[in-house]
Amino acid sequence: AQKITQTQPGMFVQEKEAVTLDCTYDTSDPSYGLFWYKQPSSGEMIFLIYQGSYDQQNATEGRYSLNFQKARKSANLVISASQLGDSAMYFCAMREGRDTGRRALTFGSGTRLQVQP
Amino acid sequence: GAVVSQHPSWVICKSGTSVKIECRSLDFQATTMFWYRQFPKQSLMLMATSNEGSKATYEQGVEKDKFLINHASLTLSTLTVTSAHPEDSSFYICSASPAALAKNIQYFGAGTRLSVL
Repeated sequence: AQKITQTQPGMFVQEKEAVTLDCTYDTSDPSYGLFWYKQPSSGEMIFLIYQGSYDQQNATEGRYSLNFQKARKSANLVISASQLGDSAMYFCAMREGRDTGRRALTFGSGTRLQVQP
Repeated sequence: GAVVSQHPSWVICKSGTSVKIECRSLDFQATTMFWYRQFPKQSLMLMATSNEGSKATYEQGVEKDKFLINHASLTLSTLTVTSAHPEDSSFYICSASPAALAKNIQYFGAGTRLSVL
């Protein structure tokens, strides 16, 4: 079974508008972390935002916020006030287990976001 | 955020030759680093977990004799693609997490595009 599911292969948004990128996850581990990364055409993976399974509040980082609905196992990324530079692939990822740098991430299939002027 | 350096960014080689890719954590120590592979228009797939001072752990289906990993210091892991063939052409990217930071966010190198002729 897919551990991370991103159902939107591609999304379009008008510049300055908000957009939500969907992500659902599957794990039986009570401790886990959820991440969003941006991958521009250059290929680098840019960390955007993190949500821990025990975090009570939704994470926010500037124009990025994570809509964490634990019961529904969803961790949607919201980008407010879209900019042309936001056009890229966006990956949702999960690390199962306690906070540790020794566990790899499992990635979703990604969503390609295109911001239109 | 923390900086992970990956070199080279692009390499073209003839079939049958070996290619070494370096991954360095520039401002932190990383006892564990991860190597991922990404084929065009696909997601990142974990190849192996590199552990400083011990053998790497390879994912199912990844040939350990073909993809040699050496993690000889706390800041350097290398991936050597031995006897490369055209089917090994891909985007290889490493990541590491500064243990001293909370959340254990994985930071990625810029990736290496390997083209085997």
